Amino acid sequence: EVQLVESGGGLVQPGGSLRLSCAASGFSLTGYWMSWVRQAPGKGLEWVANIMDDGGSHSGASVKGRFTISRDNAKNFVYLQMNRLRAEDTAVYYCARGGSRGSLDYWGQGILVTVAS
Amino acid sequence: EVVLTQSPGTLSLSPGEGVTLSCRASQSVNTSFVSWYQQRPGQPPRLLIYGASVRASGVPDRFSGSGSGTDFALTISRLEPEDFTVYYCQQCGGSPLYTFGQGTKLEIK
Repeated sequence: EVQLVESGGGLVQPGGSLRLSCAASGFSLTGYWMSWVRQAPGKGLEWVANIMDDGGSHSGASVKGRFTISRDNAKNFVYLQMNRLRAEDTAVYYCARGGSRGSLDYWGQGILVTVAS
Repeated sequence: EVVLTQSPGTLSLSPGEGVTLSCRASQSVNTSFVSWYQQRPGQPPRLLIYGASVRASGVPDRFSGSGSGTDFALTISRLEPEDFTVYYCQQCGGSPLYTFGQGTKLEIK
């Protein structure tokens, strides 16, 4: 059974840093694109960052230069390093697996990140 | 930048009715890379449709997707009580790499 479990969330002050982890099980990360998607309280979905199977990555404009996605295929983990956090980064962060034709076919339950003083 | 606009924002319907949700792109997108998701409260999104019209595994056949170019649609033929929730469209391959629509909420009339 495919499972994605996020960890590392919590309360952080503006300007601080946090690293989210996503533990994948039931499949090997090798060969899959992986993404982070966030959802601010009461709002819609916003794509944050993607890492391809070759390690290449992309990120959204709102986090570019502040957030970095990485992967460890040997450990079956995906990470999101978040620096210079702002109040508007407060959201539930989901880890998602890239599926067929640009879809996101499996999602974790999400982890809450709150940026506040 | 590809912007996806979903309409309407909220729809009030009754169980048993059919509905078509719209998703319009600000520029032509690759039809093969349009997906639809369902999200219930407190839950992560669930993939319903990929490639604009292909049902994901386990998705009931009352859900269908269609469209090309800039106009895409999700149709639910007979609404069940559990279908009253929020739906998102998404594209991949444009700029930014992934974009989501703002969502359409189905509520019980």
